[in-house]
Amino acid sequence: ILNVEQSPQSLHVQEGDSTNFTCSFPSSNFYALHWYRWETAKSPEALFVMTLNGDEKKKGRISATLNTKEGYSYLYIKGSQPEDSATYLCAPDLNTGTASKLTFGTGTRLQVTL
Amino acid sequence: DGGITQSPKYLFRKEGQNVTLSCEQNLNHDAMYWYRQDPGQGLRLIYYSQIVNDFQKGDIAEGYSVSREKKESFPLTVTSAQKNPTAFYLCASSPPGSGRAREQFFGPGTRLTVL
Repeated sequence: ILNVEQSPQSLHVQEGDSTNFTCSFPSSNFYALHWYRWETAKSPEALFVMTLNGDEKKKGRISATLNTKEGYSYLYIKGSQPEDSATYLCAPDLNTGTASKLTFGTGTRLQVTL
Repeated sequence: DGGITQSPKYLFRKEGQNVTLSCEQNLNHDAMYWYRQDPGQGLRLIYYSQIVNDFQKGDIAEGYSVSREKKESFPLTVTSAQKNPTAFYLCASSPPGSGRAREQFFGPGTRLTVL
C-alpha cells in the first residue's frame, strides 16, 4: 500500500489569511501529482495536474509546487475566502504500468470564516 | 449539459443482496474509474477501465464486479462477497489524449447502506 500523507488534517483560518498544505508521497515510480478540491455536497474538482520536478502551477489565488525527488507538493492559498472552504485532496500517480492510477491522501479540510 | 451522472444518490440494501450502481458520462471520455470512500480514509480505487470491453482491478476489487460494454457506461456491482459494502462510491472519467497526466472528472456519488 502506497503511503500518501497530507498535513494538516484540518485547518481553520480567517478570511484574508494565507495558508498552505503539504502532500508527501513515495518518490519512486512517480508519474504525476493531482490536486483536487472537494466542497461539501459537490463532486471533487481538479485543481492541478503536475508532472515535472520544480513545476509550479497557479489558478487565481491558489498555487502549487512539486518536488518529485523528495516526494512532496505544497498547495498555497493566498488571501483565503469563505468559498475556499473545502477538503483539498492530493493524489500521486505512482503506477508502474501504462494506465493512470491515483492514490489519494485523506485530505486537508479547510474552513475559512469571516 | 456534459457530465457524469450516478444513480441513485442514496441506496439501501439488505445484507446478502447484490446491488448495481450506475455511472454514465457524455463527455466522450475513454477512461472510467470507481472509487470508494470510508470515514478517515482517502478515496480507494476499486476498478478502472481504459477502453470499452476492457477493465482492470484496482486496489480493493474483492467483492466487486464491473462491465464496460459501452463507452458511456461503467456500472459497478457490489456483490454479497463484499464484507463491508456500506460506503460512499464515486465514479470518475478522464479525457482522451496523449500521455496519462489527465485530470479526472467526478460524478456526484452514491451512498450505499447495507442493512
